[in-house]
Amino acid sequence: EVQLVETGGGLIQPGGSLRLSCAASGFTVSSNYMSWVRQAPGKGLEWVSVLYSDGITYYADSVKGRFTISRDNSKNTLYLQMNSLRAEDTAVYYCARDRRFSSSWYSDYWGQGTLVTVSS
Amino acid sequence: DIQMTQSPSSLSASVGDRVTITCRASQIIINYLNWFQQKPGKAPKLLIYGASSLQSGVPSRFSGSGSGTDFTLTITSLQPEDFATYYCQQTYSSPFTFGPGTKVDIK
Repeated sequence: EVQLVETGGGLIQPGGSLRLSCAASGFTVSSNYMSWVRQAPGKGLEWVSVLYSDGITYYADSVKGRFTISRDNSKNTLYLQMNSLRAEDTAVYYCARDRRFSSSWYSDYWGQGTLVTVSS
Repeated sequence: DIQMTQSPSSLSASVGDRVTITCRASQIIINYLNWFQQKPGKAPKLLIYGASSLQSGVPSRFSGSGSGTDFTLTITSLQPEDFATYYCQQTYSSPFTFGPGTKVDIK
């Protein structure tokens, strides 16, 4: 059974750093594309980043240069390192497994999310 | 960047109604369009991928169509568990943007 469990969220001051983890089971992270998506309180979904199985990464403009997506194959875990955090980064962060489709992909399994609150 | 719009932003419907939600991309995305359902406090759930392919386990009352820039999600015979917010997402090019969502509530 595919499962994704996000951890690492919490309250952090503006300018601070936080690392989110997404522990996967039932499949191999390194063989799949993996994404992070966030949702600010009362708002819609915002795509954040994707890590392809070949190591290629993409980021939303709003986080580029501040966030880094990575994985640890030995732990079958996806990460999101978040630096220089801002109030507007406050959101529930979801990780998702992505499946290849034609020349693209789709997110078929999602974690339960972890809340990041950036506030002084 | 590709901008995604959805219409309507919200709608009220009754159980048994046919519901249609439209998603439009600001440029051609072929059929790299996915639909998600989200209920309050829950993670999104994949309904449709590749514009028209039904995800395994999703009821057949959900269907998707379209290509290029214009796409549609249709729910035939709305059920009580279908009241939720629906999002489209393009996975044609980065940034892989979501639409703003369509909230479907009870009339």
